[in-house]
Amino acid sequence: QVQLVESGGGVVQPGGSLRLSCAASGFTFSSYGMHWVRQAPGKGLEWVAFIRYDGSNNYYADSVKGRFTLSRDNSKNMLYLQMNSLRAEDTAVYYCAKLGRAFYDILTGYIYFDYWGQGTLVTVSS
Amino acid sequence: QSALTQPRSVSGSPGQSVTISCTGTSSDVGGYNYVSWYQQHPGKAPKFMIYDVNKRPSGVPDRFSGSKSGNTASLTISGLQAEDEADYYCCSYAGSYTLVVFGGGTKLTVL
Repeated sequence: QVQLVESGGGVVQPGGSLRLSCAASGFTFSSYGMHWVRQAPGKGLEWVAFIRYDGSNNYYADSVKGRFTLSRDNSKNMLYLQMNSLRAEDTAVYYCAKLGRAFYDILTGYIYFDYWGQGTLVTVSS
Repeated sequence: QSALTQPRSVSGSPGQSVTISCTGTSSDVGGYNYVSWYQQHPGKAPKFMIYDVNKRPSGVPDRFSGSKSGNTASLTISGLQAEDEADYYCCSYAGSYTLVVFGGGTKLTVL
């Protein structure tokens, strides 16, 4: 069955950096685009970023553009989110989520998240 | 402030039907048929419930249905059950620049 396991969260000071990882199993990872979605404590969901199945293109929300970088290693079934210049407003649970259709790019409009990990908490505080 | 507007809360009794609205603009909900809905129980990850406005992924009960009129999408849950009590989020494709927008979420209480 599909499993997504995030790791790498923790407490970091404003201006600091953190790298999140997402380990995927139970599906052909190299065939699917992947998202990161975050949820601030007690708040709603916010889309963060997407990477194509082949890593050839990334898309980011304006709120993280220029600070966050998404990458993947298809040989290891791993997804990464490098977060730099962190701010208090980046405090959230970060979920990785699988795109629901193979070989699709979200520019087609097919943006759906069919499986989600359990999330990892990032706290930005001094 | 979320891009899509949902009521903060709705409620219903077991067996009844409830509808959750999701209002956007012609740049997102009204412009594309790429609306989805997610259910989230407290402390859990969201679950994929509806896509393409009104399609259900396999395993989602047919008590859950989606629709759209103009800039407003809706999720209807019929035959309410206690386990339906959760937060529900709508999501829409918003074009090639913004890409993805979520609603603020609606807390469903089963009385």
